[in-house]
Amino acid sequence: DVKVTQSSRYLVKRTGEKVFLECVQDMDHENMFWYRQDPGLGLRLIYFSYDVKMKEKGDIPEGYSVSREKKERFSLILESASTNQTSMYLCASKTLGSVSTEAFFGQGTRLTVV
Amino acid sequence: GEDVEQSLFLSVREGDSSVINCTYTDSSSTYLYWYKQEPGAGLQLLTYIFSNMDMKQDQRLTVLLNKKDKHLSLRIADTQTGDSAIYFCAAESGGSYIPTFGRGTSLIVHP
Repeated sequence: DVKVTQSSRYLVKRTGEKVFLECVQDMDHENMFWYRQDPGLGLRLIYFSYDVKMKEKGDIPEGYSVSREKKERFSLILESASTNQTSMYLCASKTLGSVSTEAFFGQGTRLTVV
Repeated sequence: GEDVEQSLFLSVREGDSSVINCTYTDSSSTYLYWYKQEPGAGLQLLTYIFSNMDMKQDQRLTVLLNKKDKHLSLRIADTQTGDSAIYFCAAESGGSYIPTFGRGTSLIVHP
C-alpha cells in the first residue's frame, strides 16, 4: 500500500519559532510537493521538488523554505513562524512518466501559530 | 498560469444525483482530475480524464469534459451520506507534472 507520511497531525508553535514539517514517501517518486489548505482558498502550492536537492517555488513561497536531501523525504521549514501561517499543510508525491499519474497525499498537518 | 474555478458548496438530498462543476483556463491542460477529501484526511484521487476524451464513467461517477468551453463536471449518481466530502478539481498540462487545484466544493448530503 502506497504511503505518504507526515510526521505530525497537529502542531502548536509560538510566533517566531523555527518550525519543521516532515514528509516521507515510500514509492520512490521523483516529484514531491507542499501545499497549504485554507477554507475558501483551496490548495495553494508552496514549493515542489523534482529531484534530490532540487526545489522550485510554487505560488506562495514567502516565509517558507524546503529541503530535500534524500529522495524519500521532503521537509518544509517555517524560518520564523507567524500567525498568518496557521493552516493545514499537505504533502504530496507523484512519479514522472510518459503519462501523468495521480498525486498521493499525506494526511495533513494542522499547524497553529500562537 | 493555470486557474481552476469551482463553486464552494453543494447540498443534495440522499438518493439524488450531484453535479459538481469546474472550469479551467489553460487550453493545454491535458490531464483533469477529481480528488475527494474526507474530514480530517488528505486528498484521494477519485477519477480522472484525459483531454482527448469527452466522457468517462466509473460506477456511480460520470465525468464530462467540454474542451471548447474548458468545463469539467463530476456527476455522482444516487448520492449517499458517505459521499459528503470536499471535492477538488485539478488540471495539469502535459509535461508539467504539477496539478493546479480549484478551491474545492463541499458536498453536503442530507437525508
